[in-house]
Amino acid sequence: EPEVTQTPSHQVTQMGQEVILRCVPISNHLYFYWYRQILGQKVEFLVSFYNNEISEKSEIFDDQFSVERPDGSNFTLKIRSTKLEDSAMYFCASSGSDRGLDIQYFGAGTRLSVL
Amino acid sequence: AQKVTQAQTEISVVEKEDVTLDCVYETRDTTYYLFWYKQPPSGELVFLIRRNSFDEQNEISGRYSWNFQKSTSSFNFTITASQVVDSAVYFCALPNTGFQKLVFGTGTRLLVSP
Repeated sequence: EPEVTQTPSHQVTQMGQEVILRCVPISNHLYFYWYRQILGQKVEFLVSFYNNEISEKSEIFDDQFSVERPDGSNFTLKIRSTKLEDSAMYFCASSGSDRGLDIQYFGAGTRLSVL
Repeated sequence: AQKVTQAQTEISVVEKEDVTLDCVYETRDTTYYLFWYKQPPSGELVFLIRRNSFDEQNEISGRYSWNFQKSTSSFNFTITASQVVDSAVYFCALPNTGFQKLVFGTGTRLLVSP
């Protein structure tokens, strides 16, 4: 069964460092998303991406964040200068067609720990 | 704006008990979808069900069933004869207007003990 793959599963970084979280969405999907979940809290939307551009982003997704689809398979989230409060689980998701009308399938997540 | 409320923070049951997880939502949309996801201790988010607002029939899948009631804006999830493997956090979710993102509830942690 096709699945969304995220790497690494756990990333530890020092405050101020840049991190790139990687995702391989399901191959024929067209819509891509990043969400985050601070430990013990609810899952929060960060950004959606379609046709090589951001289609919506949340207030959390400030200038420190960027997304890219560098080739036909990867979808990345970059945090330029990490802060302690960026520590969270980051989930990538993809869906096949009309965004929320279709099922968003999630990866297993990357746990980011900022020290 | 869409809102999803899961008032039960944590539920503990003994194996084989039935358990119902509540979800109440708010939306001004006339057409919408509702979702349930499961987050087991390993951390991933697993899709369980999607429901169209036009379809108020209850759905059953094995030990899982869902009761969708538009009149009370609720989409409750029942696990029959719970098992230890059902222990997880369960999230109810609703897409925002424009369907760009999922709005999640705060989740209900279900603990099933042997």
